[in-house]
Amino acid sequence: AQSVTQLGSHVSVSEGALVLLRCNYSSSVPPYLFWYVQYPNQGLQLLLKYTTGATLVKGINGFEAEFKKSETSFHLTKPSAHMSDAAEYFCATRAPSGYSTLTFGKGTMLLVSP
Amino acid sequence: EAEVAQSPRYKITEKSQAVAFWCDPISGHATLYWYRQILGQGPELLVQFQDESVVDDSQLPKDRFSAERLKGVDSTLKIQPAELGDSAMYLCASSLTLAGGQETQYFGPGTRLLVL
Repeated sequence: AQSVTQLGSHVSVSEGALVLLRCNYSSSVPPYLFWYVQYPNQGLQLLLKYTTGATLVKGINGFEAEFKKSETSFHLTKPSAHMSDAAEYFCATRAPSGYSTLTFGKGTMLLVSP
Repeated sequence: EAEVAQSPRYKITEKSQAVAFWCDPISGHATLYWYRQILGQGPELLVQFQDESVVDDSQLPKDRFSAERLKGVDSTLKIQPAELGDSAMYLCASSLTLAGGQETQYFGPGTRLLVL
């Protein structure tokens, strides 16, 4: 079964600082991995996804993530935080073939201070 | 840009009452998902449709929850009777197809349910 663990329920950064949100996966085979963002009282929006190919994935709003099989990680980064990045971020995974469900982590709330 | 529509956005009800949520997926999306998101946690899949057929409802509490997608387009999720523990955000998502796992799920804004 696929699962993800997000380290840290809350992360605080200053505007302009590096953003690093951690996600580790557990899977018997390299899974597909996703990062979603959720603003207050809204649905989830896909930031980026890794399926196959290049392990460094670039997404919207300047975010990127790197799939590291040796570390079973898929951490989300952004070089310079903006106030508008304050939101909750969810890492998710699913098996790479056939029918499978999307399994989400518990989320990390990103707080950005001026 | 096409979006997943959900209504109502907010619902307050008393326990033991019936509630219903509606979802209209992006046009042409064959796969529709209902998730429940408890405050402070990630979404959990309740039910998944491919066209009008249920593909996975293993996590749906069938004694009180029901879901339908009669014409393979919009869908309704019902709870009867509602319990205090059902207070959560109910999210609908859709995707083009079920196969492969690479497809992107597009989420609606959700219905926030409060059971008193």
